[in-house]
Amino acid sequence: GQSLEQPSEVTAVEGAIVQINCTYQTSGFYGLSWYQQHDGGAPTFLSYNALDGLEETGRFSSFLSRSDSYGYLLLQELQMKDSASYFCAVLRNQGGKLIFGQGTELSVKP
Amino acid sequence: DAGVTQSPTHLIKTRGQQVTLRCSPKSGHDTVSWYQQALGQGPQFIFQYYEEEERQRGNFPDRFSGHQFPNYSSELNVNALLLGDSALYLCASSLGQGKDTQYFGPGTRLTVL
Repeated sequence: GQSLEQPSEVTAVEGAIVQINCTYQTSGFYGLSWYQQHDGGAPTFLSYNALDGLEETGRFSSFLSRSDSYGYLLLQELQMKDSASYFCAVLRNQGGKLIFGQGTELSVKP
Repeated sequence: DAGVTQSPTHLIKTRGQQVTLRCSPKSGHDTVSWYQQALGQGPQFIFQYYEEEERQRGNFPDRFSGHQFPNYSSELNVNALLLGDSALYLCASSLGQGKDTQYFGPGTRLTVL
């Protein structure tokens, strides 16, 4: 089967650092993507890891360990606008099918 | 540079009706994937179109069908609508059959009464 697990909710304060974990179990793995989605809006691409290690893009970083089937998204210097749902998604190695987790709702408090 | 666009933004239908949703990919992209997102859930893959053919399909019944046109735009058709088809339908475009980053459109909110 295919499954991704991530926490359903995370709360943090403005200016803090938060880490959202994702573990996956899929047949076929090409890479791990992260998307941000505000209420009812379009999922917005944040980052992608195909190889082990850390990818940094501004305040956001993403990490992948293929041997552990594990990744995380790290958000630094949290801002109120970061309140949203965050999804990890596995890219299957056959033709680009994205398998999404259930999403983590991040609430940033003042 | 226009991003992914979808139409209509909202749609209300009744059970048993048919619906067509439309998607225009980001400029330069040749692959369109469709996803269904129920409230509070992650998007679920419906199918992918590349070179005007359905290349991959998720676990959705034949009531869900699609098409890709020579200009790479795409349609999603759903027949015999059920209440459970109420969801946000998202289109994602990419280059090279989806191995590149997929960029999502704003979606079409379908309500089936």
